[in-house]
Amino acid sequence: QVQLQESGPGLVKSSQTLSLTCTVSRGSIRSGAYYWSWIRQHPGKGLEWIGYIYYSGTTYYNPSLESRLIISMDTSKNQFSLRLSSVTAADTAVYYCARRSDSWFDRWGRGTQVTVSS
Amino acid sequence: QSVLTQPPSVSGAPGQRVIISCTGSSSNLGAGYEVNWYQHLPGTAPKLLIYGNNKRPSGVPDRFSGSKSGASASLAITGLQAEDEADYYCQSHDTSVSWVFGGGTKLTVL
Repeated sequence: QVQLQESGPGLVKSSQTLSLTCTVSRGSIRSGAYYWSWIRQHPGKGLEWIGYIYYSGTTYYNPSLESRLIISMDTSKNQFSLRLSSVTAADTAVYYCARRSDSWFDRWGRGTQVTVSS
Repeated sequence: QSVLTQPPSVSGAPGQRVIISCTGSSSNLGAGYEVNWYQHLPGTAPKLLIYGNNKRPSGVPDRFSGSKSGASASLAITGLQAEDEADYYCQSHDTSVSWVFGGGTKLTVL
């Protein structure tokens, strides 16, 4: 079974850039069958889709985050990454990476807590 | 505020049946997009429970079932077990934001 694991700093200062990486194991991100996604959950709130990257490098972002967001991939390491710039306290959340197949997310990481401090 | 609306909490005794609702709009469920459901225990990876309105991935017990009608969907859990206590989320496609989720429903097994 494919596994996903998020990694990155748990604390980011306000106005700086949040960077996270998702490492995929037991499966290749070069598969054309899947879209590699980021999703977050604010404290006590529901889930929010952030964006995805396809094996071709095509990306698609949540319009509310698009101006601050870059999702990239490193096929040699079987990883994809998220960079969110100019963060504020509103970006404090648990960040998940997930694999999307068709219209559903069939594999998820455990999530990583990111806190934005002032 | 989430695009899809779920009740914050539901509860039931072991062996009982509970239903979790998910209400959308004309830009997501009402537009004909399918609904998917996830089970999440805090600190673990969310798990796909139902996809394509009513299909179960391999390994998901048939105690879990899904349905959709118009802009509403529901997840039914029969024969409630203690291990079912978790947060449940619905999810669908939306014409404006692509992928949207519900606010989540906390299931308590009494």
